[in-house]
Amino acid sequence: DQQVKQNSPSLSVQEGRISILNCDYTNSMFDYFLWYKKYPAEGPTFLISISSIKDKNEDGRFTVFLNKSAKHLSLHIVPSQPGDSAVYFCAAEAYGNKLVFGAGTILRVKS
Amino acid sequence: NAGVTQTPKFRILKIGQSMTLQCTQDMNHNYMYWYRQDPGMGLKLIYYSVGAGITDKGEVPNGYNVSRSTTEDFPLRLELAAPSQTSVYFCASRPGTGNGYTFGSGTRLTVV
Repeated sequence: DQQVKQNSPSLSVQEGRISILNCDYTNSMFDYFLWYKKYPAEGPTFLISISSIKDKNEDGRFTVFLNKSAKHLSLHIVPSQPGDSAVYFCAAEAYGNKLVFGAGTILRVKS
Repeated sequence: NAGVTQTPKFRILKIGQSMTLQCTQDMNHNYMYWYRQDPGMGLKLIYYSVGAGITDKGEVPNGYNVSRSTTEDFPLRLELAAPSQTSVYFCASRPGTGNGYTFGSGTRLTVV
């Protein structure tokens, strides 16, 4: 049972445009959500997070939106840069438990 | 700042062999985790630990064992390696719940 789903295996975007990565979850007990970025042959690195008491969190070019009623979150990257090309994992946690990860979305930013 | 260090980076095992994947962190984090990542799949939790002397099973623990004798180290033991254990293994740590994980760079294991 996949509790965290990233339904788009890949996304291709032109440099300078917006990248939107989506994530859906099924467990209503999740209260903390994170995005990780992963380059080949490296471990995932933390990008941005949001708690369930917020609906938006920004950090530079990265913004995460949370829609609790729809059990949906998204990551917006504006403007997209070639160095953003990587695999992006969505993850969620219920307090006191472990992170559950989605399958990942491969982002390719074309210059 | 070393963070989370995993060794080895690559390993080829024959079916039935055993090995230990090493993981050490220097951030004094209480929580440590082992995940595996298969192609096209997300990260699946194998085992985790909330402190020295405490370990618990994750989603896919079969074929693996762990120990946590110190805060710094969390080795993962594979007994009787099988082709299904071919994967990339990631160790991670964090200070407590509500924080993101810090990951190691991974161990790519092939069982032939």
